[in-house]
Amino acid sequence: AQSVTQLGSHVSVSEGALVLLRCNYSSSVPPYLFWYVQYPNQGLQLLLKYTTGATLVKGINGFEAEFKKSETSFHLTKPSAHMSDAAEYFCAVSDAGANSKLTFGKGITLSVRP
Amino acid sequence: SAVISQKPSRDICQRGTSLTIQCQVDSQVTMMFWYRQQPGQSLTLIATANQGSEATYESGFVIDKFPISRPNLTFSTLTVSNMSPEDSSIYLCSVEDPWGRDTEAFFGQGTRLTVV
Repeated sequence: AQSVTQLGSHVSVSEGALVLLRCNYSSSVPPYLFWYVQYPNQGLQLLLKYTTGATLVKGINGFEAEFKKSETSFHLTKPSAHMSDAAEYFCAVSDAGANSKLTFGKGITLSVRP
Repeated sequence: SAVISQKPSRDICQRGTSLTIQCQVDSQVTMMFWYRQQPGQSLTLIATANQGSEATYESGFVIDKFPISRPNLTFSTLTVSNMSPEDSSIYLCSVEDPWGRDTEAFFGQGTRLTVV
C-alpha cells in the first residue's frame, strides 16, 4: 500500500522568503509523484509532477520539487514566496500514472506574511 | 486539459436525506474518480467509475451509502444517501487525461456539503 506523509498542517513564511513544504512517501513500486495546490473555494490544480527522468522537476508559479529515492522524499520549494502563494498544498503518489488512483497526504496550509 | 463541472457547488442538507452530485466533463474519459475531503483531512478516494460497469469502491465505502452512476463517457453522479453530520465534506470528481498523453488527473471544483 502507498502512503504519503506531510508533516505539520501549517507553514507560515514572510513574503520573499524561501518556501519549503516536505513530503515523504512509501511505495512498493516506482512511484509517480505529484504536488497539487488548492486555493480557497477552488478545485485542485496540478503544480508539478515526477514520473521518470530528471529528478528535479519544475512546475508552475516558480515551484520546483526534487525526487530523492534514497530519502523517499519529494519536497516542494520556491525561492521567494509571494502573497498569492497562500493556499493548501497536497502531495500525492500513484504507482501507475494518473489513470490509477491517487493517494494524498493530509495537506499543508501555506500562509504568507507581508 | 479537461474541464470538469460539478453541481451543486455547495449545499446544506437535513440528516436522513440524500444528495446527488453531478460531474460533467468536456471530453470523453474512460475512468472517473470520486474523492471525499473531510474537514481538516486529506482527500480520500471513494470509488472509481468506468462507463458500462459497476463502480469499484475503496475500503470503507459501500454502494448503498454512495451509489454512483456512469451512463456515458462524459458524465457521472455520486449520491450521498441517508446523510448524517459525519458526511459533511467536500466531494470532488476527478478524471484522467482524456487523450492519455499526460500523467495528470484533473479535478472539479468540488461540492461542499454540510449536513445539519
